[in-house]
This record gives sequence, C-alpha cells and structure tokens, in this order.
Amino acid sequence: EAGVVQSPRYKIIEKKQPVAFWCNPISGHNTLYWYRQNLGQGPELLIRYENEEAVDDSQLPKDRFSAERLKGVDSTLKIQPAELGDSAVYLCASSARRDRSYEQYFGPGTRLTVT
Amino acid sequence: DAKTTQPNSMESNEEEPVHLPCNHSTISGTDYIHWYRQLPSQGPEYVIHGLTSNVNNRMASLAIAEDRKSSTLILHRATLRDAAVYYCILRDKSGYSTLTFGKGTMLLVSP
Repeated sequence: EAGVVQSPRYKIIEKKQPVAFWCNPISGHNTLYWYRQNLGQGPELLIRYENEEAVDDSQLPKDRFSAERLKGVDSTLKIQPAELGDSAVYLCASSARRDRSYEQYFGPGTRLTVT
Repeated sequence: DAKTTQPNSMESNEEEPVHLPCNHSTISGTDYIHWYRQLPSQGPEYVIHGLTSNVNNRMASLAIAEDRKSSTLILHRATLRDAAVYYCILRDKSGYSTLTFGKGTMLLVSP
C-alpha cells in the first residue's frame, strides 16, 4: 500500500513569493490533515478535512494561507505571500474512520525555506 | 486537550531496553494515550496506543499506571534505527480530535 505522498520535498523561495504544496493521501482515507513543524518543535495542526469539508481550520492563518481538497482526495496548501517566519516543514497526514485506532499516517513533509 | 510532560532527551545503548516516561496528570476518562515517533527527516509514525491496560505490539509495549496519570513506552531492545523523537499524546476516544504534539523526547542510541 502506497503511503502519503507529498511534493515537492524541498522548496526555497524569496519572501513575498507564492508557494504551493501538494498531498495525495492513502487511498480510501477520508480524513486529511495539514501540519506545520517548526525546528525543534512538534507538528501543529493547520487544517483538517473530512472528505471535501474543512472541519477544523482554526489554526490556519487565513490572511495568507489557503487550502483545498477537491473531490475529497488530493489536497493543496498555498501560501501567498510567503514570509520569513513561514520557513518550516509542512506535513500532510491522513486517516480512515474504519480504523478504530484512528491512526494518522504522515507523509515525509515539504521543507520550505523562505529567504 | 490534556497536557503531557516528557523528558527532553534520553540516551541508550544498542540492544538494551529503553523506558520512555510520560506524565499526564490531568488525563480524562475518555482520553487514550498515543505514542508516535519521528525519525530524522521523516514524518511522525504511529507506535502504539492504549486506554487502561498495558499493550504490546511488534514495535513496543505501553505500560499504563493504575491511576492513568503516567505511562511508559518500552522498547525491549533498542536499535540504532530507534533513534528518534518520541511523542506522548492524549487523544479523546472519539477519534475525531486532532493530535496535539509537544516537543517529545529525543532518544539517542549508541552502538
């Protein structure tokens, strides 16, 4: 079974530029999460989707961040414009309701560097 | 979400058992105890979870105190590949709550 796929793995951009991250969750997983992980910290949730619906986006900085999950499968996270403080690893995870442990499966992340 | 407390780092020698502690004195009756770990340059991965009874799987064992205010993740024989940051997380049994990560414990394994 393929795991959570993320691309790109690394991205370097200048501040004020836009950037987008893509995530393909495990097939059949209806719940998708985006996390941000700053250096030396644990991941922090940005947004959670149940199918196509964003059910928890309270931690998403909506002035510059946006996300979408068309057709309830792949998802894209966008930052426009990027700031120096956005440098971090952006992790995507998915889980299935049929899994009673509600285990989350994480992708390898996208490391963003804003210069 | 209830908070957990873990040591910042621990060291172990290869092939020795490792006991990673976690305090969660404000745990509620509906909270499960989850452990995830994050290897270098990878996303976190699930290790084990439990509610009241001790749990075993192929990766580790979870020992839960009788009052549930603390737990211990046990790696029976540490390998170099077990060097990672280990996160202890409380999660409501509904499963719909998100994972709230702390800083975790960085486990260093020496050959």
